Amino acid sequence: DADVTQTPRNRITKTGKRIMLECSQTKGHDRMYWYRQDPGLGLRLIYYSFDVKDINKGEISDGYSVSRQAQAKFSLSLESAIPNQTALYFCATSEGTGEGQPQHFGDGTRLSIL
Amino acid sequence: QKEVEQNSGPLSVPEGAIASLNCTYSDRGSQSFFWYRQYSGKSPELIMFIYSNGDKEDGRFTAQLNKASQYVSLLIRDSQPSDSATYLCAVNPGRGSTLGRLYFGRGTQLTVWP
Repeated sequence: DADVTQTPRNRITKTGKRIMLECSQTKGHDRMYWYRQDPGLGLRLIYYSFDVKDINKGEISDGYSVSRQAQAKFSLSLESAIPNQTALYFCATSEGTGEGQPQHFGDGTRLSIL
Repeated sequence: QKEVEQNSGPLSVPEGAIASLNCTYSDRGSQSFFWYRQYSGKSPELIMFIYSNGDKEDGRFTAQLNKASQYVSLLIRDSQPSDSATYLCAVNPGRGSTLGRLYFGRGTQLTVWP
C-alpha cells in the first residue's frame, strides 16, 4: 500500500462545482503539503501544514481551502471550480523535525474542469 | 522571491553516456538540496539529497553542490533509456518562515536514446 494516498485519482467536473481532494498518509509525518502542476510551470505550492493546528498559504492559495482533520489527513477543497484550475494535484509529506527533510509525494489527482 | 532555475531541455544523450543536469538558486542561505525524477504523468520520486559542499554519490548518481556559486548538479553515469524522465531540482532555505518548504525548479527533460 502506498504511504501517501490521494483520492480520487481522476476527476472530471463542471465549472462552479465544489470539489474535495483527499490525502492520507501512513508515514507518521507531521508536515503535509498540497501542490499543483501545470505543463511548463513546475510544481507550485497551494497550502501547507506543519501540524494539525497549523495551516499556511503557499504561492497560489486563492480559490482553494484546506482542512487538516488529523495528523494523517489533509484535504484540499475548490469551493467553486473554474477551468483554469484544471491541473495535476499532488499531496506530499515530510518529517516534522530538523531542517531540510525531503518531501514524499502521493500519486496525484488529475482534475479536469469543464 | 526564491528562484530555482533549471534548463528545460530537452537534454538528449546516448545510452551509456554521462548526463549532466544543472540547477542554480537565488537564496544564498539555502541549506539543503534535492533531486527528484518524474516520469510523464507520475509523481516526483526522490533520487538524492545533499547538504554539504562537494560530491555525494549513490550508485550511478552523483550530486554536486557549490554553495559559493549557488549551483547544484546531478550526474547520471552509464545512462539508460529508463532514465528518460523530467528531473526536478528543489531547494530548502531552511530557516524562518520558509522552514520545511521546498522551492522547485521547472525541471529538465532528459531523453536517453538506445
